Amino acid sequence: DTGVSQDPRHKITKRGQNVTFRCDPISEHNRLYWYRQTLGQGPEFLTYFQNEAQLEKSRLLSDRFSAERPKGSFSTLEIQRTEQGDSAMYLCASSPSRAGGDWEQYFGPGTRLTVT
Amino acid sequence: RKEVEQDPGPFNVPEGATVAFNCTYSNSASQSFFWYRQDCRKEPKLLMSVYSSGNEDGRFTAQLNRASQYISLLIRDSKLSDSATYLCVVNRVKAAGNKLTFGGGTRVLVKP
Repeated sequence: DTGVSQDPRHKITKRGQNVTFRCDPISEHNRLYWYRQTLGQGPEFLTYFQNEAQLEKSRLLSDRFSAERPKGSFSTLEIQRTEQGDSAMYLCASSPSRAGGDWEQYFGPGTRLTVT
Repeated sequence: RKEVEQDPGPFNVPEGATVAFNCTYSNSASQSFFWYRQDCRKEPKLLMSVYSSGNEDGRFTAQLNRASQYISLLIRDSKLSDSATYLCVVNRVKAAGNKLTFGGGTRVLVKP
């Protein structure tokens, strides 16, 4: 399968614990995005990387959230001191970078986080 | 006010019928537009881009009205498999990258 992959697919954790999610983008894509989706809502942008550089972060990304893409390939999203409000689906997407902009983002299956 | 707004539905559609719904966006700087489809508990998948002149892909037709800041999606000859949530997406291209802004989705239920 050459699509975007995410791991784990499901995570249940207790409030206050730290969690880390991984995203492996499509191999030739140099842009990687993280979104969060809660029930009944559309995905909300969290942050985005071009290669290893984190170029934009949403104000939704509190200081408890950190994302990395150390070698410009896979990315991790860590949430520290989880709260019940962090329960959501965390989606990763990737896209190529083409002259004139790139438009199509391909999503992974998501990691569903439940904070109890 | 949300940047992208959609009627959440559900739109209950008899199989074979036509259904259409709109999405409005507030940022006139938005440069590109898409419809994504999302099945229950699955990831969003690109359905089609929306071009200024309008475009068609099989049974699906998308229109863009920049003056009124809305886009529309029309589904003809609805199939049971068209049941899904349709997400309206706008993209404001920045120099270094794109950030998709999603609407809340319109749920479509096609019934026999």
